[in-house]
Amino acid sequence: DQQVKQNSPSLSVQEGRISILNCDYTNSMFDYFLWYKKYPAEGPTFLISISSIKDKNEDGRFTVFLNKSAKHLSLHIVPSQPGDSAVYFCAASDSGTYKYIFGTGTRLKVLA
Amino acid sequence: IAGITQAPTSQILAAGRRMTLRCTQDMRHNAMYWYRQDLGLGLRLIHYSNTAGTTGKGEVPDGYSVSRANTDDFPLTLASAVPSQTSVYFCASGTESGSYNEQFFGPGTRLTVL
Repeated sequence: DQQVKQNSPSLSVQEGRISILNCDYTNSMFDYFLWYKKYPAEGPTFLISISSIKDKNEDGRFTVFLNKSAKHLSLHIVPSQPGDSAVYFCAASDSGTYKYIFGTGTRLKVLA
Repeated sequence: IAGITQAPTSQILAAGRRMTLRCTQDMRHNAMYWYRQDLGLGLRLIHYSNTAGTTGKGEVPDGYSVSRANTDDFPLTLASAVPSQTSVYFCASGTESGSYNEQFFGPGTRLTVL
């Protein structure tokens, strides 16, 4: 059973517009969430994180929103750039284990 | 060396053969991890180590073993490879065990078991 789900395998967005990537989780014990970005033939790189005591965290063009009641988080990229084209993974952890469960990933394509 | 290195970059292996994937980090991170990435399944944790001398099982540990003799190295061994172990394997390290930490990933090893 997938505890962390990214239901959209792919997303295409026009350059300059907003990209919204979604992630749902089922385990209410999760209290820390991260987003990673992955280019082909490279390892994932950390993008942004949020703990359950917050509902928003912003870093430049990237903002992560957390809705604990809905067990949902989203990553907003504004404005989207062609260099943002990559696979994005969300990951969740609980303070009991500090091990991360990753989602299946969403492939973002930003069209010039 | 800077960051995390993995070797080999890719490997084709006959079923039944033994294989060790190497991982070395130079950041002096306590925690290290092995993941496999499969299409439609994302990244799944195989084994982890909170500190040198200790290891633990992740989500999909069967068929794999690890050791952590020192801080820098965390090899993953397939004792008798099977085709279902065809995957891309990523090693990662983190600053602390037992706390939230950003994980730094290596470039991956693409393994094909025939």
